[in-house]
Amino acid sequence: QVQLVQSGAEVKKPGASVKVSCKASGYTFIGHYIHWVRLAPGQGLEWMGWINPNSGGTNYAQKFQGWVTMTREESISTAYMELSRLTSDDTAVYYCARDGGIAARDWFDPWGQGTLVTVSS
Amino acid sequence: SYELTQPPSVSVSPGQTASITCSGDKLGDKYASWYQQKPGQSPVLVIYQDTKRPSGIPERFSGSSSGNTATLTISGTQAMDEAEYYCQAWDSGTVVFGGGTKLTVL
Repeated sequence: QVQLVQSGAEVKKPGASVKVSCKASGYTFIGHYIHWVRLAPGQGLEWMGWINPNSGGTNYAQKFQGWVTMTREESISTAYMELSRLTSDDTAVYYCARDGGIAARDWFDPWGQGTLVTVSS
Repeated sequence: SYELTQPPSVSVSPGQTASITCSGDKLGDKYASWYQQKPGQSPVLVIYQDTKRPSGIPERFSGSSSGNTATLTISGTQAMDEAEYYCQAWDSGTVVFGGGTKLTVL
């Protein structure tokens, strides 16, 4: 079955960077865009951007431009999201999700299990 | 920037019909998707392209869209449907989520 499995929880100090991985299985990795979404405590879902696993092309939400980097490693069907210059406001659960169509304009299904990133001094 | 507005909370009695709205400028001209998220779990797609239901989602979940509003309807609501629900749409190449609606089954 189609599945996205993310890396484990992280604890980081302010100013540090974090890199979260998302391993895909059960489908052709390069056939669907991967999105990253976060859920901060007491907040709603926030879209961060997408990566095209085929070309490596990316599109970041304006808020995250300049401090998020999305990459992929085709050979192991894995996408990565790296967030730099972390602050306490970045404490959140980070999800990867597969775009439902063949381009970045559709629904998100399925989602990874989420990775909790805690930023604390 | 584009915004989607949802009511913060909706309450429903077991067996009754729950309706959750999502409002945005000319939302009816875009496709809306809906996600269910229970505490400690990942979001699950329950409706896509306004009205389509993914395999495995119960028939009691349905969607509609017209004008500026998309609506998620849950008929014969069950206790297991208590969750946070988010609408989502695309605007100018970016993804927008509604603020979420907490559905309480009393």
